[in-house]
Amino acid sequence: DAKTTQPTSMDCAEGRAANLPCNHSTISGNEYVYWYRQIHSQGPQYIIHGLKNNETNEMASLIITEDRKSSTLILPHATLRDTAVYYCIVRVIQGAQKLVFGQGTRLTINP
Amino acid sequence: GAVVSQHPSWVICKSGTSVKIECRSLDFQATTMFWYRQFPKQSLMLMATSNEGSKATYEQGVEKDKFLINHASLTLSTLTVTSAHPEDSSFYICSVTPPLASHEQYFGPGTRLTVT
Repeated sequence: DAKTTQPTSMDCAEGRAANLPCNHSTISGNEYVYWYRQIHSQGPQYIIHGLKNNETNEMASLIITEDRKSSTLILPHATLRDTAVYYCIVRVIQGAQKLVFGQGTRLTINP
Repeated sequence: GAVVSQHPSWVICKSGTSVKIECRSLDFQATTMFWYRQFPKQSLMLMATSNEGSKATYEQGVEKDKFLINHASLTLSTLTVTSAHPEDSSFYICSVTPPLASHEQYFGPGTRLTVT
């Protein structure tokens, strides 16, 4: 699976949009971009995934650049409960596969 | 609701003893489960892939005789930390994959192990 690069930490004000970048310049054509988050002392939680089109669900939006070498996770109206470590992972969708976690971005939402 | 449960949520044991951690898939039968370990302020590291009815596949550097994995049913996998030592103190997390949506993974709440 391709390697990803994320900023170590970010801060965002409550109620504002949180934009979390991820670089995956070596991504292959059949690899998807996945985002998970981990709130302190809990298991990771799936947020969203996409291949090349922008995606949106009830939690977030995922913007993938046209060359697919980077993406941005957008939390439109961040709340204090969104404080967590966010992981960007690229992987193929081919059966049950392990996830390789990088260091992620520690997002802190400030009141 | 929760898709995956783990038991216990935390455990303290003495050095040299063994500890068993259970991972249950609550909503579907899972032929594959994954076990991860997370040390403080670090990311999750995959330990092994648990396959129902067959031997687990361990990642490089993970001692299979120390971390015994049993996936005896389609809804239960267990991880036994044998002869635990303080350096085994960590957060252990399992994940399961639905049979008809194998690209998805659902994680358990984790088990915090402290070895004294």
